[in-house]
Amino acid sequence: GQQLNQSPQSMFIQEGEDVSMNCTSSSIFNTWLWYKQDPGEGPVLLIALYKAGELTSNGRLTAQFGTTRKDSFLNISASIPSDVGIYFCAGLLDTDKLIFGTGTRLQVFP
Amino acid sequence: GAVVSQHPSWVICKSGTSVKIECRSLDFQATTMFWYRQFPKQSLMLMATSNEGSKATYEQGVEKDKFLINHASLTLSTLTVTSAHPEDSSFYICSATWAGVEQFFGPGTRLTVL
Repeated sequence: GQQLNQSPQSMFIQEGEDVSMNCTSSSIFNTWLWYKQDPGEGPVLLIALYKAGELTSNGRLTAQFGTTRKDSFLNISASIPSDVGIYFCAGLLDTDKLIFGTGTRLQVFP
Repeated sequence: GAVVSQHPSWVICKSGTSVKIECRSLDFQATTMFWYRQFPKQSLMLMATSNEGSKATYEQGVEKDKFLINHASLTLSTLTVTSAHPEDSSFYICSATWAGVEQFFGPGTRLTVL
């Protein structure tokens, strides 16, 4: 089925470094969402974006909704060990269905 | 925030048996619940959309006779994997929402079919 492509697939960084990850789609979405999933858990919403060009922050997290409505990025500043996990972008369809990205696996080393 | 629970959190069953997974919204009434499947190191794939009191809508490629969904109340949806086989082993996650507000996800159920 339809899927969003995320890059990079995985990242290995040192504590304190900044992180940036992207999500691209061949289709337009009117709402973009970023989730974090810990091992063996369900995803948790980090940031929701509702307007093209919108830049939204949540603590150390910043996300932007691309002006073409076909992409988004997520930045994490000053990473800490608890940032470890899998980050998924998701596009929301008009039917309220979510289409998830392929995921970016983040590993943070002390 | 809104809380969604799943039961069981993990289950092991023999091939050919059926397994029921429950999804409950604990502090809100969910007009819609969604069921996802996630294979190891892969993304979440939507299986079906469940609205209270009506038949579930299945995504293309998902067998409705194999994955039976019942949404009998505004706080409970169940997914029954019938005649389970090893290839059905996966992480099953539900989410719940009302009036198109944010989807709240359950903690997932890991199914292992021997």
